[in-house]
Amino acid sequence: ETGVTQTPRHLVMGMTNKKSLKCEQHLGHNAMYWYKQSAKKPLELMFVYNFKEQTENNSVPSRFSPECPNSSHLFLHLHTLQPEDSALYLCASSQDLQGAGGYTFGSGTRLTVV
Amino acid sequence: DAKTTQPNSMESNEEEPVHLPCNHSTISGTDYIHWYRQLPSQGPEYVIHGLTSNVNNRMASLAIAEDRKSSTLILHRATLRDAAVYYCILRLNYGGSQGNLIFGKGTKLSVKP
Repeated sequence: ETGVTQTPRHLVMGMTNKKSLKCEQHLGHNAMYWYKQSAKKPLELMFVYNFKEQTENNSVPSRFSPECPNSSHLFLHLHTLQPEDSALYLCASSQDLQGAGGYTFGSGTRLTVV
Repeated sequence: DAKTTQPNSMESNEEEPVHLPCNHSTISGTDYIHWYRQLPSQGPEYVIHGLTSNVNNRMASLAIAEDRKSSTLILHRATLRDAAVYYCILRLNYGGSQGNLIFGKGTKLSVKP
């Protein structure tokens, strides 16, 4: 365990479903991130939150909706996804946006859209 | 974002040192050099970072060229558990969007027993 916990580990959903990914950290970090890792592609930064406020949306389609109710929890709400959205979704946290101590990543949620 | 160039793959023998190179010829004075690795079926893991001087920690050493246009991650004795994709990333040393970690393709390290 890295200190960043993601649930579920695996998720299969239909294109008309609505589901949510959850990320939790109790490291005392104030910044949290969502990344997407598709097969054979580099990790792509999706969203950045700092002290619960979204500071960056990296041109992510609206079918992905993040939520950060507090500095310890981060959600990614999914609806009407496409098969090409199938990927590993990774959550990360850092002490602050400067990330001097590095980022801590979770193990990810493997999403399959059918 | 400043770019880095790494070999796609490297092989090493177990218990031998491994030198993973990274070129970053467009690095600016405020860019830190970060290394992460990603083991199969896991998220990336922080390894080490530095600015100008060589750095050592329990996992690895980072050797930074004097002109800072290249760096080398050194694993002193490779183990089978070190088989992973290693990412060299340049990162500005202050907050805001420019400070985010932007990953490239990395180097896939294979370790042979």
